Amino acid sequence: GQQLNQSPQSMFIQEGEDVSMNCTSSSIFNTWLWYKQDPGEGPVLLIALYKAGELTSNGRLTAQFGITRKDSFLNISASIPSDVGIYFCAGPRGGSEKLVFGKGTKLTVNP
Amino acid sequence: NAGVMQNPRHLVRRRGQEARLRCSPMKGHSHVYWYRQLPEEGLKFMVYLQKENIIDESGMPKERFSAEFPKEGPSILRIQQVVRGDSAAYFCASSPWGGHQGEQFFGPGTRLTVL
Repeated sequence: GQQLNQSPQSMFIQEGEDVSMNCTSSSIFNTWLWYKQDPGEGPVLLIALYKAGELTSNGRLTAQFGITRKDSFLNISASIPSDVGIYFCAGPRGGSEKLVFGKGTKLTVNP
Repeated sequence: NAGVMQNPRHLVRRRGQEARLRCSPMKGHSHVYWYRQLPEEGLKFMVYLQKENIIDESGMPKERFSAEFPKEGPSILRIQQVVRGDSAAYFCASSPWGGHQGEQFFGPGTRLTVL
């Protein structure tokens, strides 16, 4: 079935640094979603991408929908302590309503 | 505008008891989804419902698990005769549309612990 592979699994960075993480699949996705999950909370939608090649920003966050439709990237610029959390990529499986999630990238920001 | 609401936030049950998890979607949203998350894992789809209809339950275990979304009131995920392996965080999401747009908005989750 469709699986999403996220890398890296975890990142430890200094405040102010830029961050880049990615998500790949062996299958095509028509939508890519990026969520952030804080401890003890539900995922919060950060960015939604609908078109191959699309580059979308939300404040310090920028995400891209890969041209092959098999990957997506999330960049965070000038990280701050509140960026700490787990970032998940997700997409609807095979034209259905079911979202498939990656295993997440855990981000730690040292002040 | 209130977001997706789930209760209880934490639920402790002994093996063999029943667990009932409730979800109220965002106002105006008629599509509800349930997901399960184990520690250090991503979310796994369980079931998709619209009002009074189960649309897709392909991620639900065949036994002990059921879900409903009645005409009035919240969606309920029910787990009968819970076992330790049911311990997980259960998230509800809602969306205002179908049609494979994908955007789903999540509640804070219910953390189920089975003793």
